Amino acid sequence: KQEVTQIPAALSVPEGENLVLNCSFTDSAIYNLQWFRQDPGKGLTSLLLIQSSQREQTSGRLNASLDKSSGRSTLYIAASQPGDSATYLCAGTQGGGSEKLVFGKGTKLTVNP
Amino acid sequence: DTAVSQTPKYLVTQMGNDKSIKCEQNLGHDTMYWYKQDSKKFLKIMFSYNNKELIINETVPNRFSPKSPDKAHLNLHINSLELGDSAVYFCASSQQGAGEAFFGQGTRLTVV
Repeated sequence: KQEVTQIPAALSVPEGENLVLNCSFTDSAIYNLQWFRQDPGKGLTSLLLIQSSQREQTSGRLNASLDKSSGRSTLYIAASQPGDSATYLCAGTQGGGSEKLVFGKGTKLTVNP
Repeated sequence: DTAVSQTPKYLVTQMGNDKSIKCEQNLGHDTMYWYKQDSKKFLKIMFSYNNKELIINETVPNRFSPKSPDKAHLNLHINSLELGDSAVYFCASSQQGAGEAFFGQGTRLTVV
């Protein structure tokens, strides 16, 4: 059974810092990996998708990488801003026709002005 | 245009009642899902439909019955609501094989 761990559970940083969020899977046979952002009381916003043939994706100040051999992914946020404050969730699928996402419990990020 | 929309956003109801949540996606995706986020914010799959056919039923009580009238809609009907059903329910969609999932804004269900 796939389980996803996100470390740290919470993170507080001053504005402008670069930071890394971590995600690991008990079963490294990950097909697609997706990072989401969730603001309080809101839905999930897709940030980055790393598809089965890829190892990395970038969007603006965000960079996500996936090491399939170890079952680990990182989300790098450059030059953090107060507007980045949210809960970040990683989730993976295992292919084989199963499109379901298995989620971690998230990292709650606070960026202080 | 909202890609995945759910109604209602909030639902407060008494134990024992039956309620429905509706979901629609305008992304042309062939796969739709229901996820449940519990009080500890943990998200877990409940159901998945591909082209109106149920493909995942993740050991959900049979009081929960999804219905997909067409591939753009996936509704969730819940019978005999219990206190433990209180949670946020998210609808999502994706294109099979392409992977990126898009979520609705959630329906916060409170059973009193």
